[in-house]
Amino acid sequence: AQSVTQLGSHVSVSEGALVLLRCNYSSSVPPYLFWYVQYPNQGLQLLLKYTTGATLVKGINGFEAEFKKSETSFHLTKPSAHMSDAAEYFCAVSPEGGKLIFGQGTELSVKP
Amino acid sequence: NAGVMQNPRHLVRRRGQEARLRCSPMKGHSHVYWYRQLPEEGLKFMVYLQKENIIDESGMPKERFSAEFPKEGPSILRIQQVVRGDSAAYFCASSPQWPTGGWADTQYFGPGTRLTVL
Repeated sequence: AQSVTQLGSHVSVSEGALVLLRCNYSSSVPPYLFWYVQYPNQGLQLLLKYTTGATLVKGINGFEAEFKKSETSFHLTKPSAHMSDAAEYFCAVSPEGGKLIFGQGTELSVKP
Repeated sequence: NAGVMQNPRHLVRRRGQEARLRCSPMKGHSHVYWYRQLPEEGLKFMVYLQKENIIDESGMPKERFSAEFPKEGPSILRIQQVVRGDSAAYFCASSPQWPTGGWADTQYFGPGTRLTVL
């Protein structure tokens, strides 16, 4: 069965610091991988998506993620955190397209 | 282009009542997904529908829950005889075509309906 594990339910960084949100997946087939962001009382917004090709994927708002098959990871990074990045972030896998399987989410706090 | 619309945004029901959640996909989208987010948890897939067809309902509870996406009108998620454990945020997502892994089938999410069962 496919699954997603996000390490750390809460991550706190200072404004300007590196953001690193960890995601590991389990899939029996090459997966499609996603990162979504959810602001309070809102729906999910797609940050970036990996399907095939280049393993370093750039998304919106300065975020990027790298697909590492050998480590079954798809960690999300941003070089410099901004206050507006405070939100909940979800990693998801879609093993063959179609339904998304989400991780538990990581709440990112940004301190001034 | 309006995004995915869900209504109501907030719904309060007493135990035993019925809840009907509506989702209007983005214009041109013919595929709808429903997800449930329980407090302090991630989103869980419930059902995937195309117009007049249920494609995948592997995440739907066996009893009290049903979903439809008619030829005309919004998709409806129906919960009969609600219980307190049904309290959650229910999100709808839509995509324009069959999932192939390409960008064209990206799922776009609505703002959700927050169901509270008293």
